[in-house]
Amino acid sequence: KAGVTQTPRYLIKTRGQQVTLSCSPISGHRSVSWYQQTPGQGLQFLFEYFSETQRNKGNFPGRFSGRQFSNSRSEMNVSTLELGDSALYLCASSFADEASTDTQYFGPGTRLTVL
Amino acid sequence: AQTVTQSQPEMSVQEAETVTLSCTYDTSESDYYLFWYKQPPSRQMILVIRQEAYKQQNATENRFSVNFQKAAKSFSLKISDSQLGDAAMYFCAYRKSNYGQNFVFGPGTRLSVLP
Repeated sequence: KAGVTQTPRYLIKTRGQQVTLSCSPISGHRSVSWYQQTPGQGLQFLFEYFSETQRNKGNFPGRFSGRQFSNSRSEMNVSTLELGDSALYLCASSFADEASTDTQYFGPGTRLTVL
Repeated sequence: AQTVTQSQPEMSVQEAETVTLSCTYDTSESDYYLFWYKQPPSRQMILVIRQEAYKQQNATENRFSVNFQKAAKSFSLKISDSQLGDAAMYFCAYRKSNYGQNFVFGPGTRLSVLP
């Protein structure tokens, strides 16, 4: 079974631009979560989508948004990029049909650099 | 709010030896899940082992085992017969038992394996 895939793997943008990252979950997984990973802050939860609805949200500004499509694929958008948005963005998917199976499987990440 | 602490930013171990990585967490919940994830230099996070808080028996996966002390809120990972491929960042993570809850990650421990 194919794992979680993320595109693109690397991205360079300038301040003020916007960016869209994509995540394709493992087949059958209905939950997709997004995390920001930086050396200083570690792994921080952005949001989680389940059946096209945002179910959980972390403590990030409104510039960070996302959506999920009917095939469970998810996109994350960051508008008005700031230097501090430079990070590795990780996507994770899970079945999320019940708590006992809600283990998250991660993609390789998208490395975003903001100049 | 739940927090996860990993007090060892870096550890090293000789090949074939045993190493233990520490993790403590803070929660008022009685039912939850604990995880260890490994992030090798290639950046893909991989699930190493998981533990359900309601289970008294410590989880094991081949060379990986945990020492789960619920009263002490401690969840350490023991790696036996360490191999060069075990070199990675190791993250301890916590999740409430209700499905749909986001993961809370510790800051990570960088493990080096010396030949």
